[in-house]
Amino acid sequence: AQSVTQLDSHVSVSEGTPVLLRCNYSSSYSPSLFWYVQHPNKGLQLLLKYTSAATLVKGINGFEAEFKKSETSFHLTKPSAHMSDAAEYFCVVSTLKAAGNKLTFGGGTRVLVKP
Amino acid sequence: GAVVSQHPSRVICKSGTSVKIECRSLDFQATTMFWYRQFPKQSLMLMATSNEGSKATYEQGVEKDKFLINHASLTLSTLTVTSAHPEDSSFYICSATGRLETQYFGPGTRLLVL
Repeated sequence: AQSVTQLDSHVSVSEGTPVLLRCNYSSSYSPSLFWYVQHPNKGLQLLLKYTSAATLVKGINGFEAEFKKSETSFHLTKPSAHMSDAAEYFCVVSTLKAAGNKLTFGGGTRVLVKP
Repeated sequence: GAVVSQHPSRVICKSGTSVKIECRSLDFQATTMFWYRQFPKQSLMLMATSNEGSKATYEQGVEKDKFLINHASLTLSTLTVTSAHPEDSSFYICSATGRLETQYFGPGTRLLVL
């Protein structure tokens, strides 16, 4: 079985300050981990993914995430928030062997960026 | 690359009618497509997984006869909501994956049943 917990349902930051979105996972197999962003009434856009290569993963729009096996975490960060970063963010785990490429979604974190 | 489209983007229908939603992979062959449902301010819930040329696999609690899924080609999957009722109103999102593991998502279809 696999599961994902996003520790914050809402995060509010000021423009230009760092953003941290926390994610913990559990998986019986070696996981692949993803962060997706969803803007209002839109589909999901892939920000970055971890698939057992480098533990520090760089994504689009200045986002990066670090895979920490010992902590079963995959937190997403960005050094300086932009107004366009206001959206819903989903941490997602996939274990190809166990679940036939099924994705398990976290509950989502809504990011608000204040001017 | 890896673009997935959905049509229509939004649809309003009367209770009791059926609605078909199309999901297309535009620039790659999708061996597997997934259908999700998303309620307002909630996460995505996987409804079913479909592989080209075979029957869809539905998640527990999803009615097969209500949500008909067809994956007739490597670039097209359809979801038909049969005899729609107001409680079926939701945001439906498809995703597609080819040989690589990453799923690419469509822009979603908002269904409103009156």
